[in-house]
Amino acid sequence: AQSVTQLGSHVSVSEGALVLLRCNYSSSVPPYLFWYVQYPNQGLQLLLKYTSAATLVKGINGFEAEFKKSETSFHLTKPSAHMSDAAEYFCAVSPYGNNRLAFGKGNQVVVIP
Amino acid sequence: EAQVTQNPRYLITVTGKKLTVTCSQNMNHEYMSWYRQDPGLGLRQIYYSMNVEATDKGDVPEGYKVSRKEKRNFPLILESPSPNQTSLYFCASRDTGGQTEAFFGQGTRLTVV
Repeated sequence: AQSVTQLGSHVSVSEGALVLLRCNYSSSVPPYLFWYVQYPNQGLQLLLKYTSAATLVKGINGFEAEFKKSETSFHLTKPSAHMSDAAEYFCAVSPYGNNRLAFGKGNQVVVIP
Repeated sequence: EAQVTQNPRYLITVTGKKLTVTCSQNMNHEYMSWYRQDPGLGLRQIYYSMNVEATDKGDVPEGYKVSRKEKRNFPLILESPSPNQTSLYFCASRDTGGQTEAFFGQGTRLTVV
């Protein structure tokens, strides 16, 4: 079964510093990959997705992610953290030709003023 | 407005008392699913449905039932809830095709005492 690995359940970052959240997937065939964000007391919303059109994907709120097939990775970055980025972030994978969506365990991001 | 609506948002119940959490989507999506979210475990899929009258088990189906009699509705049924089903539940829908975005409800926080 397809799976994703997110390391580090809690990530602290200073305001203005780089945000880097790592995601690795397990698959011999590149799947579709997603990053979702969950703000407190809310559902999940899509940040960005990789669907094989371009390896560098730009999303909302200044986030971007780069797909690297050789490393089976899809890491999420934002150059400068803002207080409003405090949330939980999930990487998710959808195998090619399949509608199921499997999630990683998430990263709780805390932004320090 | 495209949305997935879950009810109730919060529910406290006693062990063994049957309950239903409703989910409705207005996007004419064929694929719907239920997840539970627990700290440190991310989102785990309970059941999914490819279309009307087509449901299947996800990763953690024990203790749950679902039905899909209409395309827009996908209720989650706990016939005899137990304390280990205390969790945050999300309903999601997406169009067919692994590259499509999943839309999530606001969540139902269930406590079983």
